[in-house]
Amino acid sequence: GENVEQHPSTLSVQEGDSAVIKCTYSDSASNYFPWYKQELGKRPQLIIDIRSNVGEKKDQRIAVTLNKTAKHFSLHITETQPEDSAVYFCAAPLYNQGGKLIFGQGTELSVKP
Amino acid sequence: EPEVTQTPSHQVTQMGQEVILRCVPISNHLYFYWYRQILGQKVEFLVSFYNNEISEKSEIFDDQFSVERPDGSNFTLKIRSTKLEDSAMYFCASSDPSSSYEQYFGPGTRLTVT
Repeated sequence: GENVEQHPSTLSVQEGDSAVIKCTYSDSASNYFPWYKQELGKRPQLIIDIRSNVGEKKDQRIAVTLNKTAKHFSLHITETQPEDSAVYFCAAPLYNQGGKLIFGQGTELSVKP
Repeated sequence: EPEVTQTPSHQVTQMGQEVILRCVPISNHLYFYWYRQILGQKVEFLVSFYNNEISEKSEIFDDQFSVERPDGSNFTLKIRSTKLEDSAMYFCASSDPSSSYEQYFGPGTRLTVT
């Protein structure tokens, strides 16, 4: 089955710096990779996703890159702001198992003003 | 913008009691999911539901758990006899058949078993 590994588990940056979170997956059949942001006590919120037919996708200050050969994908946040502080989860679905999402372990991002 | 909703937001129950967690998925979505998140840990898949039946369930989803879509709008998770280790945040999610990959999460129900 799919296994998703996420690094680092914690990340602290200064406001304005960039942050990068990386994930690897094991199932070469996976072709959709979402990223969720979870603020304390709140729901995971889908912030960006990428499908396997593209290598990069951007939405304002966030971007996701995908390397299918190496089976890894990364979240990039530029010009970080204190409100970016949250736990970020990567995930990969298993379509032959009801589309369930396998989540990474999460990265707690702290942006210091 | 339509959202998944869940009730209650917090449920406290005694060990051995039955609980029902309720979800209203986004109205045109056809795929439904329950996930669990123990405090400080990652989100874990419990069960997926499509076309009025379970598509997939995890090893966590044992005989004490059941799901139901009793009408056209609600999707429920029942735990028959709660255990202390069932204490967690339970999230419902749904996805759109035309974009079945994108799952949107509800606000969660915090279940505390004492």
